[in-house]
Amino acid sequence: AQSVTQLDSHVSVSEGTPVLLRCNYSSSYSPSLFWYVQHPNKGLQLLLKYTSAATLVKGINGFEAEFKKSETSFHLTKPSAHMSDAAEYFCVVSPGFGNEKLTFGTGTRLTIIP
Amino acid sequence: DTGVSQNPRHKITKRGQNVTFRCDPISEHNRLYWYRQTLGQGPEFLTYFQNEAQLEKSRLLSDRFSAERPKGSFSTLEIQRTEQGDSAMYLCASSSSPRGGTYEQYFGPGTRLTVT
Repeated sequence: AQSVTQLDSHVSVSEGTPVLLRCNYSSSYSPSLFWYVQHPNKGLQLLLKYTSAATLVKGINGFEAEFKKSETSFHLTKPSAHMSDAAEYFCVVSPGFGNEKLTFGTGTRLTIIP
Repeated sequence: DTGVSQNPRHKITKRGQNVTFRCDPISEHNRLYWYRQTLGQGPEFLTYFQNEAQLEKSRLLSDRFSAERPKGSFSTLEIQRTEQGDSAMYLCASSSSPRGGTYEQYFGPGTRLTVT
């Protein structure tokens, strides 16, 4: 069984300040982990993925995430928020290696304050 | 690469009617997935195909739901005798051979179903 918990349903930050979106996972396997972003009226877009290589993963638009097995966490960060980052963010887990059923968290809505 | 497309984008139907949605994956992607997303929730897996074979179905996919991918290209998702609880966004994704052991799934814009 696998699951993810996104610890904040809503995060607000000022433009130019750091972003932290928190995610904890549970998996019976060595999981693959992803962050997807969903802008209003647009499809889900893959930000980054972790697949048991480097624990610090760099994604698009300046986002990064660090896989911490001891803490079962995969938090998403960005040093400086931009107005265009306002969206819904989903932490996602899959068993990987042939079993690609994605399990999504409930999402974190990121609001950027001008 | 024109992306995953879904039609229609919106569908309003009356309870008890049948509806069918279509998904066209990225060309040459051999895997195709269906998810359902209700308001305020993350998407939930429904089913997936490798080529024309349906490999897994979620228990969320009741007998009223059926999905096909007859030639291993586009897929259809049909809901019979719709209920108000079926109102949701239906998302399609596709993927190809894995890089680093994991398939990257690319999502379409979704079909929003409203059952009145």
